[in-house]
Amino acid sequence: DQQVKQNSPSLSVQEGRISILNCDYTNSMFDYFLWYKKYPAEGPTFLISISSIKDKNEDGRFTVFLNKSAKHLSLHIVPSQPGDSAVYFCAASPPDSGYALNFGKGTSLLVTP
Amino acid sequence: EPEVTQTPSHQVTQMGQEVILRCVPISNHLYFYWYRQILGQKVEFLVSFYNNEISEKSEIFDDQFSVERPDGSNFTLKIRSTKLEDSAMYFCASSSPGLAEPQFFGPGTRLTVL
Repeated sequence: DQQVKQNSPSLSVQEGRISILNCDYTNSMFDYFLWYKKYPAEGPTFLISISSIKDKNEDGRFTVFLNKSAKHLSLHIVPSQPGDSAVYFCAASPPDSGYALNFGKGTSLLVTP
Repeated sequence: EPEVTQTPSHQVTQMGQEVILRCVPISNHLYFYWYRQILGQKVEFLVSFYNNEISEKSEIFDDQFSVERPDGSNFTLKIRSTKLEDSAMYFCASSSPGLAEPQFFGPGTRLTVL
């Protein structure tokens, strides 16, 4: 049962342009959403998060948008850099600590020079 | 910057053997987690741990698995009798208590069961 879905397995973007990664979820209990970046043979690195009381959170080049009614979130990276090339995972959970993160399958982003 | 560490980075074992994977969470974190990622699949939750008790566990975390915080710094995952299908990357994570606190992950242990 996939409660968090990332329907695009891969995305290719030119350096300097915007990268938009999408994520959908089904469980209404999810109130806290996170994006992680992962390189091969490394652990997921926390990028940015958003709780359901907000619809946007920004940190430098990274912005996460949340549309609760559509159960959809997206990660925008502007401008994209070659070092951003990695697998990006969307994750969701209830808001309190101690709960499982439910991960999507990931989107592999390639930023070309 | 504080980080979660894990040892060993790679563990090879024979089917039926016991393995212990070790983690040192970030020092002021109170919640600890184990996840795994089978090759080509998504990251899956195994267990969360707080105040010396399991907070939540998934269906994967059956009687073959156990967790322990043997001292003030280490957090371990034991698999009693490994199976071929236990081969995966195992990630430890930790978080602060409270609302909307992200989990920070270690680099992982690659477990290969032969």
